[in-house]
Amino acid sequence: AQSVTQLDSHVSVSEGTPVLLRCNYSSSYSPSLFWYVQHPNKGLQLLLKYTSAATLVKGINGFEAEFKKSETSFHLTKPSAHMSDAAEYFCVVSDGAGGYNKLIFGAGTRLAVHP
Amino acid sequence: NAGVTQTPKFRVLKTGQSMTLLCAQDMNHEYMYWYRQDPGMGLRLIHYSVGEGTTAKGEVPDGYNVSRLKKQNFLLGLESAAPSQTSVYFCASRPAGQGIYGYTFGSGTRLTVV
Repeated sequence: AQSVTQLDSHVSVSEGTPVLLRCNYSSSYSPSLFWYVQHPNKGLQLLLKYTSAATLVKGINGFEAEFKKSETSFHLTKPSAHMSDAAEYFCVVSDGAGGYNKLIFGAGTRLAVHP
Repeated sequence: NAGVTQTPKFRVLKTGQSMTLLCAQDMNHEYMYWYRQDPGMGLRLIHYSVGEGTTAKGEVPDGYNVSRLKKQNFLLGLESAAPSQTSVYFCASRPAGQGIYGYTFGSGTRLTVV
């Protein structure tokens, strides 16, 4: 069965410094992986997705993630944090069992950005 | 704007009361999902539907029922609400075919059971 582990429940950075949100996954076959962002009292927005094409995936708002099969990781990065990046981030794997592709969510990482 | 609409956005229930959450999508998506979000647990799948008239259990289905009588609507029912069902509920939909593409989420329903 597929699973996702987000290694940090909270990350705090200063504005203008790099962001690293860590995610490890477990999958019995080639997974599809996603990062979603949720701003306070809002729904979920897709940041980026990996679907077995390029291992370095670029998303919206300057975020990117690198798929590393040998490390079963899909860490999210951004070179320079902005105050508007403060939100909760979810790493997600697609469970293809039965062909219905359900999403399996990590527990989330709350990113705080300080001036 | 096209998308997924959830109603209501907020609701307070007393233990034992019943209610129905409505999810409506206008994108002609085949698949629809109900998730609940609890602190420190991400989103967990309650029930899902792969087409009109079909439903299936997800990870945490107990205490909930669903119906998909029309393709555009997916209803989540609580027959006898319990405090453990206090949560934020999200509906999502996606087209069939490619499977992993095109999930669209609603903005959520915050439910409190007292």
